[in-house]
Order: sequence, then structure tokens, then C-alpha cells
Amino acid sequence: AQSVTQPDIHITVSEGASLELRCNYSYGATPYLFWYVQSPGQGLQLLLKYFSGDTLVQGIKGFEAEFKRSQSSFNLRKPSVHWSDAAEYFCAVGPYYGGATNKLIFGTGTLLAVQP
Amino acid sequence: DGGITQSPKYLFRKEGQNVTLSCEQNLNHDAMYWYRQDPGQGLRLIYYSQIVNDFQKGDIAEGYSVSREKKESFPLTVTSAQKNPTAFYLCASREASPSNQPQHFGDGTRLSIL
Repeated sequence: AQSVTQPDIHITVSEGASLELRCNYSYGATPYLFWYVQSPGQGLQLLLKYFSGDTLVQGIKGFEAEFKRSQSSFNLRKPSVHWSDAAEYFCAVGPYYGGATNKLIFGTGTLLAVQP
Repeated sequence: DGGITQSPKYLFRKEGQNVTLSCEQNLNHDAMYWYRQDPGQGLRLIYYSQIVNDFQKGDIAEGYSVSREKKESFPLTVTSAQKNPTAFYLCASREASPSNQPQHFGDGTRLSIL
């Protein structure tokens, strides 16, 4: 069965430090992978997506993610964190059922805190 | 600006009462989704619709109902049969094709029990 695991429930980093949020998935083929960010009381905003091709994808707000098939991972990175990056981050896998469903399976999220 | 509007932002339900959450999109998207979010559990799919007048149950449909009479609207009713309705509800939509299109989300409705 398809699944997504975000091993870190909560991470604290200092402003200006680098960041890596982990995401591991279980899927029988190449999945569609997404990272979303959620500020408190808000909806989810798409940061970046991977479908095929270059395994390093760039997103908004200076984020990037690398797809590693051998490790079934799609980790999110940022070289220098800003205080405004404090939020909850969700990794999602999009199984393709051959139709228009595009049902997403979400991880349980990683809450990022940024220290001044 | 195109987007997804959810209303109200906060909603309170009395015991035995049905309440309806609104979701409207002006993105001309065919597919729409309802998710429930609880702390530490990520997002769980309640219902989804790929076209007007058609919808399917998601993973946790019990106690909920939906309709899709118009392309831009996908209201969710939380019925009295849903015994634990307190949660944050998110509506999403996407273009039907290509199939790898991402979902776009509204700002959510927080439902609480009085």
C-alpha cells in the first residue's frame, strides 16, 4: 500500500541555518511527489512538485527537494532559514490510477520552529 | 484573483445538528476534494468529485455528505451521525488533466462542538 512517512514531528533550527526535512514514501512505481507548507490557521500552499526528469527540483521561497529513488526519499531543503519559514510542512504522494482522481496521500507533517 | 474560498472560517455545531461548510472555486477546475485535518494525523480524504453531479467517498466519509450541482461549488455537510466533528476542514481543487496537476487549497474552516 502507498504511504508517506515524515519521521520528524518537530524540528527547531536557528535563523540562517540550513534545513532538511525528511520524507520517505512507499509506492510501487515512480510517484508524483509534492511538498506543501501550512501556516497556522491557513490552508496548504504548494512549495514544489516532482513528476519526472531532473531529480533536483526548485520551488518557491528558496526551497528545493531531491528525489532519490534508491532511498524512496524526497527530502526538502533550504540553505538559510528565515523566521517566516516557521510553519508546518507536509509531504504528499500522488498515486496515478489512470484517471483524474489524483488522490493524494499526506504525511503527518513536520512542525518547524525558527529560533532568532 | 483565482482561488478557493471556504466559509465560514469558524463554525460551531450543537449536538444533533447538521452543518454545511461552503467551498467555492473560480479556477475552472473539474476535480474538488474535502479533507479533514486533526493534530498529528495529517490530512484525511472525506469525499472527492471529478465532475459535476458525480462524487466518491474517500477514506473517512461516514457522517458526511456532499453535493456537486455546479462546477465551482462543492459543499460539505457534517451530519449528526458524525460523532467527533471537531477538526479543521480543507477544500481543494485541481485541473482534471494532466493527471499530475497539484491540488490547490482553500484557507479552511474550523468546526467545533458547542
